[in-house]
Amino acid sequence: GQSLEQPSEVTAVEGAIVQINCTYQTSGFYGLSWYQQHDGGAPTFLSYNGLDGLEETGRFSSFLSRSDSYGYLLLQELQMKDSASYFCAVRSLYSGGGADGLTFGKGTHLIIQP
Amino acid sequence: DVKVTQSSRYLVKRTGEKVFLECVQDMDHENMFWYRQDPGLGLRLIYFSYDVKMKEKGDIPEGYSVSREKKERFSLILESASTNQTSMYLCASRRIGSRYEQYFGPGTRLTVT
Repeated sequence: GQSLEQPSEVTAVEGAIVQINCTYQTSGFYGLSWYQQHDGGAPTFLSYNGLDGLEETGRFSSFLSRSDSYGYLLLQELQMKDSASYFCAVRSLYSGGGADGLTFGKGTHLIIQP
Repeated sequence: DVKVTQSSRYLVKRTGEKVFLECVQDMDHENMFWYRQDPGLGLRLIYFSYDVKMKEKGDIPEGYSVSREKKERFSLILESASTNQTSMYLCASRRIGSRYEQYFGPGTRLTVT
């Protein structure tokens, strides 16, 4: 089976940098993705890492180390609007590998303080 | 912009009722998914569909069924609702070949009393 571990809550200050970690155990690995969800809102896709290294998209970056089964989401120049829950996710196979979906971590609630 | 809509934002049903949750997407996506989200448990995959009339069980299909008669519409059915099915239900869609980017609807908060 698949399992992902991430901290339940992280607190940071506006303007600072914060890192949200994710470790995973999977039977077969096909990349790590990140989603953001504001309270009462729908999850939205942020990033995907298929290979080791850092992927940057504006203020957000995501890192993957396949040898360590570890990844993180890095948020820079934090703004109050970044207060949300962040989920890491891995691809899971079903029906003997003929179909695939996503398995999500339990989410990290990011609190931004002024 | 991709739009995924769900028929109700809030729904209250009684134990034993048959419940239909509807999801519609307007981007001609082949794949559609139903998740439930509970505090401290994240999103868990219930069922998904690769194409019209096709369905696959996810991680927690027990007590649920699905229907996909048209490409844009994917329905989740609770045959006999129970209190442990009180949850937020999220629908998502994905274009074929995009393994990681799913587009989610706003969710239906279902309460079973």
